[in-house]
Amino acid sequence: QSVLTQPPSASGTPGQRVTISCSGSSSNIGSNYVYWYQQLPGTAPKLLIYRNNQRPSGVPDRFSGSKSGTSASLAISGLRSEDEADYYCAAWDDSLRVWVFGGGTKLTVL
Amino acid sequence: EVQLVESGGGLVQPGRSLRLSCAASGFTFDDYAMHWVRQAPGKGLEWVSGISWNSGSTGYADSVKGRFTISRDNAKNSLYLQMNSLRAEDTALYYCAKDRLDSGFDAFDIWGQGTMVTVSS
Repeated sequence: QSVLTQPPSASGTPGQRVTISCSGSSSNIGSNYVYWYQQLPGTAPKLLIYRNNQRPSGVPDRFSGSKSGTSASLAISGLRSEDEADYYCAAWDDSLRVWVFGGGTKLTVL
Repeated sequence: EVQLVESGGGLVQPGRSLRLSCAASGFTFDDYAMHWVRQAPGKGLEWVSGISWNSGSTGYADSVKGRFTISRDNAKNSLYLQMNSLRAEDTALYYCAKDRLDSGFDAFDIWGQGTMVTVSS
């Protein structure tokens, strides 16, 4: 049981816009930044979004992040086949004093 | 090229010990905090431990507290994880990850490819 809650799966067709949600609490998302990681099949995770909505250099602007209260979302617009991957949200938890991750969302491009 | 290379994984019996290493290159190692993150087969990511740039601050997941010890040698650009009293539930791919900042409270922006630890009799 993960501290942050994500839907286990999401899907979309090429060109569509999809969103992945991440729900937490006042001790993590509610009081700290949210981060998103992309894990392509068989590879290490890659930082996709940091500090709620910032993109590292090299990450396409098709990817965007947002946060409201104790929830956050990752949006992917202009969906492409290469976006098929697992996506994880993460945040620091002030009560547990640890980094917490969501359980991951497997994105399928139909 | 910024790179993290883990080593030291393998098959180990329950109750035994293992030491993981992570060799860093391509960036100023002692400017950044570092972390270990693991992923059990077919499961999600779990933060294991983190250490600040100067080793002044460390943190551990409850699941490994008292059994694992994180350390670093800035002169050797290396990060370590000493794992004692290993359990079957410690079986996972262990990633070394670099923090964006020196304190350990920001994104994991560079990841290694991982080293597999299997705990089984």
